[in-house]
Amino acid sequence: DVQLVESGGGLVQPGRSLRLSCTGSGFMFGDYVMNWFRQTPTMGLEWLGFIRNKAYGGAIDLAPSVEDRFSISRDDSKNVAYLQLSSLRADDTAVYYCARTSYDTSTGYHTAYFDFWGQGTPVTVSS
Amino acid sequence: DIQMTQSPSSLSASVGDRVNITCRASRNIGRFLNWYQQKLGTAPNVLIYAASNLRSAVPSRFSGSGSGTDFTLTISSLQPEDFATYYCQQSYTTPYTFGLGTKVEIK
Repeated sequence: DVQLVESGGGLVQPGRSLRLSCTGSGFMFGDYVMNWFRQTPTMGLEWLGFIRNKAYGGAIDLAPSVEDRFSISRDDSKNVAYLQLSSLRADDTAVYYCARTSYDTSTGYHTAYFDFWGQGTPVTVSS
Repeated sequence: DIQMTQSPSSLSASVGDRVNITCRASRNIGRFLNWYQQKLGTAPNVLIYAASNLRSAVPSRFSGSGSGTDFTLTISSLQPEDFATYYCQQSYTTPYTFGLGTKVEIK
C-alpha cells in the first residue's frame, strides 16, 4: 500500500529553523513529484511547493509566499522528501502535509492532482 | 495567484439529500480542477480530478462538472459518512490554490 509519513514537527522558537521529512513506501518514490502543504483554521490549505522527480531534473517550484524562507529537497535512495523551514514566524504555525502528485491525461492535458497524503505533522512557532 | 471561491462555506443537510457545492476560479482554468474531502483530524482525500473524473473507489454518488471558471461538486444522496469538509483546488498553474472549504453538517 502507498504510504507517506511526515516527521520532524514540533515546538520551535521564532527565527529558528526546522526540517520536516516525508518518507514514502509502497511505490516507486523516485518516479513521483512530491509536494508540501500546510493547513491552518484561518488560512485553510496552502500549497507550499513541489520537487520534481529525477527525470525532470529534480526541479523545485515554491509558492511566492514562502520561497525566500523555505526550500525542498529529496533523497530518493532513502525515499524521503524534505521541507526546510527557516526564519520561522508565529504565522508559520500549522499542520504540514506532504503529498504525491499524479497526473490525468483524459482531457488531453496533464492535470495534476494529489492522490496520496501523509497524516501531517504539526509545527508550532512560539517563544 | 488564482483565487478559488467556494460556496456555501457551510451547509446543513439530511441523509438522502442532494447537495451541490460550487467553486469559482478567478480566471479560466479549463478543467484543471480537483475536489477533496477532509474529515476531522485526517488529511484531504481526492474525490474528483480534472473536473469530472471520479477517483477509483470513490462512490458514484459523487460527481463533478464544469469548466472554465465555474465548477460544481454534487453528492446525489448524502450518506452519514459524507459529513466532512470539501475543498476545490486548481492545478492550472502554480501556485496551486484551494478554496476555503465547504463544511457539510448534519441537519
